[in-house]
Amino acid sequence: KAGVTQTPRYLIKTRGQQVTLSCSPISGHRSVSWYQQTPGQGLQFLFEYFSETQRNKGNFPGRFSGRQFSNSRSEMNVSTLELGDSALYLCASSGLETGPNSPLHFGNGTRLTVT
Amino acid sequence: DQQVKQNSPSLSVQEGRISILNCDYTNSMFDYFLWYKKYPAEGPTFLISISSIKDKNEDGRFTVFLNKSAKHLSLHIVPSQPGDSAVYFCAASAVDSWGKLQFGAGTQVVVTP
Repeated sequence: KAGVTQTPRYLIKTRGQQVTLSCSPISGHRSVSWYQQTPGQGLQFLFEYFSETQRNKGNFPGRFSGRQFSNSRSEMNVSTLELGDSALYLCASSGLETGPNSPLHFGNGTRLTVT
Repeated sequence: DQQVKQNSPSLSVQEGRISILNCDYTNSMFDYFLWYKKYPAEGPTFLISISSIKDKNEDGRFTVFLNKSAKHLSLHIVPSQPGDSAVYFCAASAVDSWGKLQFGAGTQVVVTP
């Protein structure tokens, strides 16, 4: 079974630009979550989608947005990039609605560098 | 506000011995707890989880213990192997927000021969 796939793996953008990251969950998984990892803040939750609906949202500014398609694939968008947005962005998928019997499985992330 | 805390940034252990990683949490609404392992340039890999209705869960060399009254959990790895060298994250979630995990800062484990 293929794992969570994130594209691209690496991205370099200039301050003020916008960026779109893509995530393909494990086949059959309907929940997709996004996380930001930085050296200073660790792993922080961005948002979670289930069946195309945003179910939970973290404490990030409105410049960070996402969506989920009917095939469960998800994208996240960051507009007006700031230097502080440089981070590893991780996507995770889960099969069931809730519970430790369906843990989150992570992709290898997209490394975004903002210059 | 850090709701999940891993107070030991690093741990060195000899191959074959036990590794014990600790995690504390402050939010009594957390129902599920998970441990992930992470190698550089890769995403976290799920290791083991436990529900708040249990106090112990085992899977091979990995055992997680939960002490709800103390809001504390620990991961035991026995025996430790060189391939266990990685960063270990503790994470927690409430039942009504499963996809929203709160992570600790991580503990770097180094297993020496």
